[in-house]
Amino acid sequence: QVQLVQSGAEVKKPGASVKVSCKASGYTFTDYYMHWVRQAPGQGLEWMGWIHSNSGGTNYAQNFQGRVTMTRDTSISTAYMELSRLRSDDTALYYCARDYDANSDLDYWGQGTLVTVSS
Amino acid sequence: SSELTQDPAVSVALGQTVRITCQGDGLRTYYASWYQQNPGQAPVLVVYGKDNRPSGIPDRFSGSSSGNTASLTITGAQAEDEADYYCNSRDSSGKQYVFGTGTKVTVL
Repeated sequence: QVQLVQSGAEVKKPGASVKVSCKASGYTFTDYYMHWVRQAPGQGLEWMGWIHSNSGGTNYAQNFQGRVTMTRDTSISTAYMELSRLRSDDTALYYCARDYDANSDLDYWGQGTLVTVSS
Repeated sequence: SSELTQDPAVSVALGQTVRITCQGDGLRTYYASWYQQNPGQAPVLVVYGKDNRPSGIPDRFSGSSSGNTASLTITGAQAEDEADYYCNSRDSSGKQYVFGTGTKVTVL
């Protein structure tokens, strides 16, 4: 069965960076895009970008350009999202989700990783 | 414009029909996908493309689109359909993706 398993919760100080992982199983990793979506406490969903798991090509949301880096390691079927220069308003639950054809039909999601930014 | 606008909340009587709308310029060109989110859980894809449902999603969920508006219809709403619903699509440039503002559905 398809599973996306994310790394555990993180607590970071303002200005630091965080790197979240998303390990895929149950399907051919390189056939899919991986999107990253975040949700601040009590707020809606916010699209951050995607990475093509085969080519490594990326498409970042304008709001995050310059601060976000998405990578992948095909040998271990794992995608990564690194967010730098963290601020308190980056405190959120970060999700990975797969997409077959970049139409943003996100059919499987990870369980989410809580990132808390606090001094 | 890169926004997708949804009504904040709607209510529906048990067994009745409710339509949730999503407005945005990009919807004139691109289909929306729709997600159901229950408290403390990850979103679940319920409708995508012209009107497609993933395996396991009941056929009471359907999608449609006209002009700059996409709609998710729940025909015969059940108590378990009470949740937050989000649309998602590309913006008018086609390069960026955006989620709607979300609609809380209450089943009375």
